[in-house]
Amino acid sequence: ETGVTQTPRHLVMGMTNKKSLKCEQHLGHNAMYWYKQSAKKPLELMFVYSLEERVENNSVPSRFSPECPNSSHLFLHLHTLQPEDSALYLCASSYSPGTTQYNEQFFGPGTRLTVL
Amino acid sequence: AQSVTQPDIHITVSEGASLELRCNYSYGATPYLFWYVQSPGQGLQLLLKYFSGDTLVQGIKGFEAEFKRSQSSFNLRKPSVHWSDAAEYFCAVHTGTASKLTFGTGTRLQVTL
Repeated sequence: ETGVTQTPRHLVMGMTNKKSLKCEQHLGHNAMYWYKQSAKKPLELMFVYSLEERVENNSVPSRFSPECPNSSHLFLHLHTLQPEDSALYLCASSYSPGTTQYNEQFFGPGTRLTVL
Repeated sequence: AQSVTQPDIHITVSEGASLELRCNYSYGATPYLFWYVQSPGQGLQLLLKYFSGDTLVQGIKGFEAEFKRSQSSFNLRKPSVHWSDAAEYFCAVHTGTASKLTFGTGTRLQVTL
């Protein structure tokens, strides 16, 4: 595997379900991101982890819970979601922002989430 | 706070025609600027970026962009569009030290044969 991978690619869940999205990067980066992409809205940054520490949480509802066990893996745990949470969830990775190594964010293919 | 405006939601061009996608940003200092492309069902792929130096930057797939500080713009251009260029294009700005990458709302490009 190369680059940034995300599983599953598609997920349908009910409002009472609990599920998790997984992201893995094979680029040796030390920062990882979750974005939400909804129709007709700009990409919204949800969470940022740098050196496995959460450095940003953009007022995301608590029904979204991120986890970064190491610099290569990032999870987004979902529970009691709402239909308006249906969107494409994109993971990205980079070298830590603010360092001389930072150049760009590399994105995964996304998980298309539908909440019924 | 920084912001990015892509005034064109949807553009249609004929194959072989030239293309220019507009991007304006709002930020006090010189930002880091990016153009990404997203094909249906895919993630975002970086086309090109500007950090400093030469204001005309070359990217992949024959794209280029020009940073114009006086106009706060970073427009994307391609001299001859191919049908495979049909996709959504996003301009983004980064302030360098912060972790936040701010995206525009995107421009959907349709290419007619």
